[in-house]
Amino acid sequence: DIQMTQSPSSLSASVGDRVTITCRASQSISSYLNWYQQKPGKAPKLLIYAASSLQSGVPSRFSGSGSGTDFTLTISSLQPEDFATYYCQQSYSTPRAFGPGTKVDIK
Amino acid sequence: QVQLQESGPGLVKPSQTLSLTCTVSGGSISSGGYYWSWIRQHPGKGLEWIGYIYYSGSTYYNPSLKSRVTISVDTSKNQFSLKLSSVTAADTAVYYCARDRRNLGNYFDYWGQGTLVTVSS
Repeated sequence: DIQMTQSPSSLSASVGDRVTITCRASQSISSYLNWYQQKPGKAPKLLIYAASSLQSGVPSRFSGSGSGTDFTLTISSLQPEDFATYYCQQSYSTPRAFGPGTKVDIK
Repeated sequence: QVQLQESGPGLVKPSQTLSLTCTVSGGSISSGGYYWSWIRQHPGKGLEWIGYIYYSGSTYYNPSLKSRVTISVDTSKNQFSLKLSSVTAADTAVYYCARDRRNLGNYFDYWGQGTLVTVSS
C-alpha cells in the first residue's frame, strides 16, 4: 500500500502570508494527488485534483504542484476563511490513502 | 447540484453490525464515471478510506477492514450502504459517504455531511 506523509503537521500563520504544505508519497504516484480542506465539524472539501487542477469554485490563491513522490499545496495570500486542516490523498492505486493532515491556525 | 446524505443509528453495541445508508440526490448513482465511497474519521484524527462500489455492484475494500465490510448499492432508490460487522470502540468515528469521480485519476468531489457513530454498550 502507498503511504502518505505531510509536513508540517501544523503551522501558525497570519492573514496575507504565503503558506506552503508538503505531501510525500512512499512510491511514485505520477500526478494522482488531490488536496482537501476540512474545517471543524464539516466534511472535507476538494481543492485541487490531479496535483495541479483547481476544482471549480475554489479561489485561485490555492495552487498545487509536483509529480512522482513530492507535492506542494500553496496558499498565496492566506485569508481568514483558510484556517483549517489540509489533507493530501493519492488516487494512483487502491486502497486510496490520505495524508495525516496539516493544521493551519492563526498566529 | 449533487447531494449526499448519510443515515443510520448513531449508537451501536460492541460486537454488533454498524449499518449506514447514503442517499444521493441531484444525480443518478447509475451514471458512469463515478464510484461511491465510504470514508471515516476517528475523533480528532485523520481520514480513512473504507471502500467503494460501482453502480454495477463491483466493490473494492480497504484491506485493513475487508474482513468486516460490505458495501451494497440500490440503484432504484439511488442509495448505497455500508455494513461493518463485529464493531468495537475502535470503530467509533464520523462516517462520510462521498462521490469518487474518475477524471485524471480519482477524487472525492461531493461529500455527505457525515454521521457520528459511537460504539458503546
